[in-house]
Amino acid sequence: GENVEQHPSTLSVQEGDSAVIKCTYSDSASNYFPWYKQELGKRPQLIIDIRSNVGEKKDQRIAVTLNKTAKHFSLHITETQPEDSAVYFCAARINEKLTFGTGTRLTIIP
Amino acid sequence: GAGVSQSPSNKVTEKGKDVELRCDPISGHTALYWYRQSLGQGLEFLIYFQGNSAPDKSGLPSDRFSAERTGGSVSTLTIQRTQQEDSAVYLCASSQGGTGGNEQFFGPGTRLTVL
Repeated sequence: GENVEQHPSTLSVQEGDSAVIKCTYSDSASNYFPWYKQELGKRPQLIIDIRSNVGEKKDQRIAVTLNKTAKHFSLHITETQPEDSAVYFCAARINEKLTFGTGTRLTIIP
Repeated sequence: GAGVSQSPSNKVTEKGKDVELRCDPISGHTALYWYRQSLGQGLEFLIYFQGNSAPDKSGLPSDRFSAERTGGSVSTLTIQRTQQEDSAVYLCASSQGGTGGNEQFFGPGTRLTVL
């Protein structure tokens, strides 16, 4: 089955700096890659997603890039703010099944 | 409109007892998913429903776990003879279903504690 690896497990950045989280997947049949943000004690919420026929997608301060050949995708957050502090999960999808990475705890230092 | 709801929000049970967890998906969503999230861990896929059928049950950890969905809406996840390692947050999600990258909307989860 699909295997998704996510790095780093924890990340601290100064407010205003950029944060990058990277994921790799194993199955080339994966065709959809969402990113979820989970604040403490809350449910995961989708923040951005990308399909396999697109290389990059941007939404304000958040962007995702996908390299199908290398089977990796990354989340980029620019101009980080305190409210960006949360756990972020990447995922890869095959046939309606999402396989999640183990998460990155992002801390924004004021 | 209403999001995905789950009940109970918290459940404490004794080892060996059976528990039933409920999920109410967003109205009109045909796909429904169950995940398990252990403390500080990622989301582990358990089972997926399209309508009332479960095309993928591959994530159920053992035969103590079962799930059903009736009327294409509400789903229940049942854990029989609970063990301490079953303690986790059980999350349900729903999506419009079908092919393509449809967003999964998560419920608030049920925190299960097995003593």
